Amino acid sequence: EEQLVQSGAEVKKPGESLRISCQGSGYAFSNYMITWVRQMPGRGLEWMGTIDPSDSKTNLSPSFQGHVTVSTDRSINTAFLEWRSLKASDTATYYCARHWGYGGYTRFDVWGHGTLVTVSS
Amino acid sequence: SYVLTQAPSVSVAPGETARITCGGDNIGSKSVHWYQQKAGQAPVLVVYNDKDRPSGIPKRFSASNSGTTATLTINRVEAGDEAVYYCQVWHTSGDLEGVFGSGTKVTVL
Repeated sequence: EEQLVQSGAEVKKPGESLRISCQGSGYAFSNYMITWVRQMPGRGLEWMGTIDPSDSKTNLSPSFQGHVTVSTDRSINTAFLEWRSLKASDTATYYCARHWGYGGYTRFDVWGHGTLVTVSS
Repeated sequence: SYVLTQAPSVSVAPGETARITCGGDNIGSKSVHWYQQKAGQAPVLVVYNDKDRPSGIPKRFSASNSGTTATLTINRVEAGDEAVYYCQVWHTSGDLEGVFGSGTKVTVL
């Protein structure tokens, strides 16, 4: 079964750093790009950015550039989303999703279950 | 940036038809994908490339895209269809940028 398994919920304080993960299984991880999506409490889906595991090339939304880093480790079929200094407004559920297709025809066909990040003093 | 506009909510009786619209500038020139998100769950792809259904998605789900509006139609609505539905496209502004609509909550009466 093709799936993405995300790391568990996190509770952090403002200013702390955090890295969450998304591990692919059941398919050739390096062959498909991964997108990260934010969902703030009670809100809609927001595209954060994309990484290509084959070359680690990233494409981040301007809304998130400079605040998060996306990376991958192909040796363990895992993508990461990282913050150096969390803010309370980062409180959200974060989903990773696999790309299928190319260019504007790309859709997200496999989703992780989500990682809830709570940032509170 | 590119904006996709969805109505916040739609209510429909079981067995009836739900229509969910997604408005955007010349959206008919883009490929539209639709996701279903049930409460407490991750989104699920229900339609891709304007009108195609992934395996396992019932034929009751259909979609179209033309001009400034894309539409997801759910025929013979069931209680299990209650969810928030999001449209999604890719917009080119240098790099490709993913864009989601604001979501439409479908309530089955």
